[in-house]
Amino acid sequence: DAKTTQPNSMESNEEEPVHLPCNHSTISGTDYIHWYRQLPSQGPEYVIHGLTSNVNNRMASLAIAEDRKSSTLILHRATLRDAAVYYCILEKGGGADGLTFGKGTHLIIQP
Amino acid sequence: NAGVTQTPKFRVLKTGQSMTLLCAQDMNHEYMYWYRQDPGMGLRLIHYSVGEGTTAKGEVPDGYNVSRLKKQNFLLGLESAAPSQTSVYFCASSYIWGEQFFGPGTRLTVL
Repeated sequence: DAKTTQPNSMESNEEEPVHLPCNHSTISGTDYIHWYRQLPSQGPEYVIHGLTSNVNNRMASLAIAEDRKSSTLILHRATLRDAAVYYCILEKGGGADGLTFGKGTHLIIQP
Repeated sequence: NAGVTQTPKFRVLKTGQSMTLLCAQDMNHEYMYWYRQDPGMGLRLIHYSVGEGTTAKGEVPDGYNVSRLKKQNFLLGLESAAPSQTSVYFCASSYIWGEQFFGPGTRLTVL
């Protein structure tokens, strides 16, 4: 299975943009890039996903490198409520065999 | 919609006792999953189901059994609990493929 690499932790200031990187150099052509986040004492929450093109939704943007070996989750204006562990996950398109979570990036937001 | 609910929220067992965790979803999702999360770690898939009456093993299935008798419910059973099964258990569901919706978790301690 293709693996992802993320920094253990990142720190940012409130109301500033945050760029969370993820490396996935062994990604295959059918792998989708998913991002989930987990707030303290809660279950994971879907953030965004993409295949090749950059994606935007109300929560965040996903920028995917042209060679697809890396991606960046962008929170445009961080709030204290964005403090969470962010997971970058690869999932085969059409697959049903669950998500493989790494340790993720612990995002700390300073007021 | 309640989304994904889990029962119970907390439980303490003695080694060798048995119990069943219940997951219910009201979104008419086909796929359901059970994960466990140990301290400081990402989630790991225990078992999953792609439809009523079906189950399949995930990454860490030993010591657990599951049943999906009704589309909306997915049960996780521990026949003889062990301290190594102390963890937080999360249930998730998805329509067919894509975004997974997670429950709030069950915190289980085995003494």
